[in-house]
Amino acid sequence: NAGVTQTPKFRVLKTGQSMTLLCAQDMNHEYMYWYRQDPGMGLRLIHYSVGEGTTAKGEVPDGYNVSRLKKQNFLLGLESAAPSQTSVYFCASSYDRTSGWSEQFFGPGTRLTVL
Amino acid sequence: DQQVKQNSPSLSVQEGRISILNCDYTNSMFDYFLWYKKYPAEGPTFLISISSIKDKNEDGRFTVFLNKSAKHLSLHIVPSQPGDSAVYFCAASSISNFGNEKLTFGTGTRLTIIP
Repeated sequence: NAGVTQTPKFRVLKTGQSMTLLCAQDMNHEYMYWYRQDPGMGLRLIHYSVGEGTTAKGEVPDGYNVSRLKKQNFLLGLESAAPSQTSVYFCASSYDRTSGWSEQFFGPGTRLTVL
Repeated sequence: DQQVKQNSPSLSVQEGRISILNCDYTNSMFDYFLWYKKYPAEGPTFLISISSIKDKNEDGRFTVFLNKSAKHLSLHIVPSQPGDSAVYFCAASSISNFGNEKLTFGTGTRLTIIP
């Protein structure tokens, strides 16, 4: 049981390049999330997914796209990277919340630098 | 406007003493409050939660107190141990239109336990 895994762990891009971050979970969670963490800003929600094929915008969605083609995978895409997207990206997943609060399980993060 | 605030970026505490981390929020619609712990190069991990209808929740050395009238919560760790050195994030939970958890994080407090 690997939990939540993220690929790659590190990446350096040049301005204007594109890339995709992959998140995978093996807990059969319905919900998945992408956050970014910046110094002095805490974690901010970029996009989230409530099931296969269904995604929604979070607090800071501009410049990112997401896809959830399979329940276990959630992809975060940067079409044209900008230096402002230099950050640490975390993926998380959780169960259904219908019976109360549901813990979010986080991956180890991807450190992205855009030059 | 930041809805969840942690005003102390760092805190140093002697081993064996009590650590008190504070968090303030502005949105009365949050229904759960959580603390996550984060070690360097790892994702955040859940530590303890409290429902908005409670004023205290205890789990071993960790206790969270909620003061709804002041919109303030605190995490008490006693006794503090060297392994508690980490960044602690306060988070507030609400339900999205899709019924899943949405977390709003504070900026974090770096706790250092001095042996």
